[in-house]
Amino acid sequence: GAGVSQTPSNKVTEKGKYVELRCDPISGHTALYWYRQSLGQGPEFLIYFQGTGAADDSGLPNDRFFAVRPEGSVSTLKIQRTERGDSAVYLCASSLPGSGSVNEQFFGPGTRLTVL
Amino acid sequence: GNSVTQMEGPVTLSEEAFLTINCTYTATGYPSLFWYVQYPGEGLQLLLKATKADDKGSNKGFEATYRKETTSFHLEKGSVQVSDSAVYFCALTQGGGATNKLIFGTGTLLAVQP
Repeated sequence: GAGVSQTPSNKVTEKGKYVELRCDPISGHTALYWYRQSLGQGPEFLIYFQGTGAADDSGLPNDRFFAVRPEGSVSTLKIQRTERGDSAVYLCASSLPGSGSVNEQFFGPGTRLTVL
Repeated sequence: GNSVTQMEGPVTLSEEAFLTINCTYTATGYPSLFWYVQYPGEGLQLLLKATKADDKGSNKGFEATYRKETTSFHLEKGSVQVSDSAVYFCALTQGGGATNKLIFGTGTLLAVQP
């Protein structure tokens, strides 16, 4: 079956611009996660959705970052007034509901964002 | 806060050599522990996991044992292959009804030479 997909695979933008990154989770996965991976580092948690609501957004670095999941499936990560430090690979993962158990998170291929 | 520390790479081995990649963690409560692998040009994949103390996770010849007394989850393989060349990430989740967000180490690059 289809895995997690992310679009675009690469995004180059200029400092100060607005970008949107899209994630299509595995069908039936109600849990969705966004992570950011800087060069030479492990992924860092940004935000977690259970269904349509953001259950944990403690990893968002500042108010320029925002994410939505209006219908409980596709999610969009939005970054306003991009800065060069936002350059990274943005990863999306989905899983079955996690309450009371630990379900495997399936990762997408990522979107490589470059801010010039 | 919760954190994961893993040995720095790159680790360069000859085919059929024994592999150990060290991983230690700091966490409150009873975390679940994972090893993820990222092959060249591919996304992160779960390699193995262990959800409680003394559990051993295993897959594709790799093993790791959850050691609560030493807060460790070292990855081992008895005989590596060129196809094992990848970046390996140790990770944990707090579990227990929390978000299950993964906390990763910095990754260890393994290069296996024929």
